[in-house]
Amino acid sequence: AQSVAQPEDQVNVAEGNPLTVKCTYSVSGNPYLFWYVQYPNRGLQFLLKYITGDNLVKGSYGFEAEFNKSQTSFHLKKPSALVSDSALYFCAVRIPGNQFYFGTGTSLTVIP
Amino acid sequence: DTAVSQTPKYLVTQMGNDKSIKCEQNLGHDTMYWYKQDSKKFLKIMFSYNNKELIINETVPNRFSPKSPDKAHLNLHINSLELGDSAVYFCASSFLAGAGELFFGEGSRLTVL
Repeated sequence: AQSVAQPEDQVNVAEGNPLTVKCTYSVSGNPYLFWYVQYPNRGLQFLLKYITGDNLVKGSYGFEAEFNKSQTSFHLKKPSALVSDSALYFCAVRIPGNQFYFGTGTSLTVIP
Repeated sequence: DTAVSQTPKYLVTQMGNDKSIKCEQNLGHDTMYWYKQDSKKFLKIMFSYNNKELIINETVPNRFSPKSPDKAHLNLHINSLELGDSAVYFCASSFLAGAGELFFGEGSRLTVL
């Protein structure tokens, strides 16, 4: 069965500090990997994706993510957190030509 | 131009009523989806249509009936609403092939009293 795990329901980080939101997955084949952000009362917004190539991908709002094939992980990172980064973050994987599988979400709070 | 738009944004209704949510996308995608987000913020796929053909039909009560008149539209009709149907329903679209991402609408918050 395909699954995506976000082991932390909540991540708190001080403004200006680096942040990491973790994601691991268990799917067959070589999936595409995605991160989405959801602000309160809004739809999910695409942040970045990994298809192939360089393991470090850069996305919107200064976010980046590191793909690690051996650990089947795709952790979201940002060097310096902003209060405005506080939101709900979802990791997702997609097997080519198939549906998307979402993690359970991680609530990020950046403390001023 | 809104890429994926769904209406209405809010629905408040009594148990037993029927309601519909409409969704339209102008991105030229061939695949559309309905997701349900519960009070714990978990996202669950409900249905997916590719070029008007149903391709994903998760374990959803028969009271939920999707309809796709064309590949740019996907509607959701819910009969005999129950308290447990209260949630936020998201429409999304993508290309079925390739590595394209999902584009989401802003959600329709359904409250059943």
